This record gives sequence, structure tokens and C-alpha cells, in this order.
Amino acid sequence: SQQGEEDPQALSIQEGENATMNCSYKTSINNLQWYRQNSGRGLVHLILIRSNEREKHSGRLRVTLDTSKKSSSLLITASRAADTASYFCATVDAGGTSYGKLTFGQGTILTVHP
Amino acid sequence: KAGVTQTPRYLIKTRGQQVTLSCSPISGHRSVSWYQQTPGQGLQFLFEYFSETQRNKGNFPGRFSGRQFSNSRSEMNVSTLELGDSALYLCASGLAGPNTGELFFGEGSRLTVL
Repeated sequence: SQQGEEDPQALSIQEGENATMNCSYKTSINNLQWYRQNSGRGLVHLILIRSNEREKHSGRLRVTLDTSKKSSSLLITASRAADTASYFCATVDAGGTSYGKLTFGQGTILTVHP
Repeated sequence: KAGVTQTPRYLIKTRGQQVTLSCSPISGHRSVSWYQQTPGQGLQFLFEYFSETQRNKGNFPGRFSGRQFSNSRSEMNVSTLELGDSALYLCASGLAGPNTGELFFGEGSRLTVL
């Protein structure tokens, strides 16, 4: 089952603009991760934020986590056409029993126009 | 270092047949998990393996099964195929231990059931 919702479902922007995607989840988590998928291919890990962290940066990516609201956001700054892809948030349940289990959101389709 | 390898990449089967998909994880990774991706249901967790033991199973019927070998390679099997089993099946590997960290995904096996 899906963990929660991502919004927007689709986002269309121009190169150079920032893109913000939001994710909500339902359970207590150990960490939250963001993945990118190009055209039905494999997923690529972007960034991981642990439940005791509030914000994390990696290059042009900034992720925030609000465990009280069970939500996260991914900001991509200065978008490029090559950033066009689907973006998924995924959570790992708290409890230390998951070895490879991610619960994914529905995803946001990002289109960056040159 | 080679990535996660999934075979076959594409396959077509008819209803009632069975299929076996293979996954070779990144060298040194002991955790392997499987996901089903469809347009309607999104990314759904199937099962995860660590040290040849199934640690968690998703909400799928018993027709879906898997195993992990001593070299960490994994296979999943779907018996008595139904039209709704048409999907992209993704395998992912990760480093040892609970509390899933970054996962590395293969390109997937795209199954079409006619």
C-alpha cells in the first residue's frame, strides 16, 4: 500500500526555476528518502533524511522533514531540462525491522522546459 | 563496480503461465528487495531478503514468491499469471543491517501478460 500522498502530481516549470515537491506519510519512520525515475527505468537514490533531522542539503537538493506533521518537501534549485523525471518519496518504518522495505508515495512528475 | 542486474529485461507471457525473474545485487550487498510498479497502484513492496531469509512480505497473494541464494542473488516467481500482473518489477539491493538506508535499483523487468 502507498504510504501517503505527494503533491503536486505534476509540475511544469522553466529551466532555472526552483521546483518544490511535497510528501505526506502516515506511520512513525526511521528515515525518509527521495528517489528519481526516468521514463519507467530504475530508481536512483537522491537523498536520505533521518527522523531526528529537520533539513538536509545535497548539491541543488534541499530536503526538509517535519515529523510532527508527517511531511517532507524536496526543493530542486535552478532546475535543468535534465531534471525532467518522476520523483518519489519513500519511508522506512521505525522499529528496526526493515532491511530493504520502502513505502513509496505516488510520485510527482516534473517537467523542466528548456 | 557493477550495478544491480535484472534479467530478463522484457518478457511476454500468457495468462496461467508462470515467470521467474532474476536479480544480481551489487557485490557486497546482502539485502535484496523487490517492488512492483504499475500505473494504477504505483510502487508496491513485494518482499525483502537478508542473509537468505525473507524478512518482510508485502500484501500480495501467495502466487508471488521469492528466494535469496547464498551469494545474495535473488529470484522471484509469479505463478498462474493474471492480466493484472503486467508491471515493471524492480529489484533493489542495499548494505547489511536493519533500518533500510540507500537502495540501489536495477533497470527492472517489464512483464506483459496477454
